[in-house]
Amino acid sequence: QKEVEQNSGPLSVPEGAIASLNCTYSDRGSQSFFWYRQYSGKSPELIMFIYSNGDKEDGRFTAQLNKASQYVSLLIRDSQPSDSATYLCAVNSYGGSQGNLIFGKGTKLSVKP
Amino acid sequence: DTAVSQTPKYLVTQMGNDKSIKCEQNLGHDTMYWYKQDSKKFLKIMFSYNNKELIINETVPNRFSPKSPDKAHLNLHINSLELGDSAVYFCASSQAKTSGSFADTQYFGPGTRLTVL
Repeated sequence: QKEVEQNSGPLSVPEGAIASLNCTYSDRGSQSFFWYRQYSGKSPELIMFIYSNGDKEDGRFTAQLNKASQYVSLLIRDSQPSDSATYLCAVNSYGGSQGNLIFGKGTKLSVKP
Repeated sequence: DTAVSQTPKYLVTQMGNDKSIKCEQNLGHDTMYWYKQDSKKFLKIMFSYNNKELIINETVPNRFSPKSPDKAHLNLHINSLELGDSAVYFCASSQAKTSGSFADTQYFGPGTRLTVL
């Protein structure tokens, strides 16, 4: 069974610090990787996507992908209290002709002022 | 304009009833999805439709029946509701289903919180 694993947290960091969120996946054939943020009582919203090995930066967010290790991470620089949310890692695994997003259980991040 | 909308936002009903949740997207996407998020916040896909054709049907009781009248709409009908059906149901859409590019990014609706008493 294809799986996506994340530490459930909570991960607590002080304001201004770097928050590091990690995710591993089981399907070596996975091709696209997403980070979603979900505030309590709200729907998941896309933060970043990454397809190639290496780093991808967007503002305070950096996604890192290592397909050999089947590992994807999200770094949040200069963390703000407004970053406090659950972060969902999602991996697109293709079976035959159809794509399917498999989500991890999420890591709850708390940024303390 | 809301990109992916769902109605109703909240649904409280008795066990054994039949209910429907509606979803509409105005993004021009070809693929729509239904997800269930349980009390432990685990988000799991239930169904996926591409251009009105069912392409993913995960292990879901056959009391759940999706219907797609056109590619902008995907509704979910649930028969004989059970306590375990209580969850938040999210609709989502994406431009493509297999491309392995940004086109398979999924955009989520606001969710429908279903409570079965």
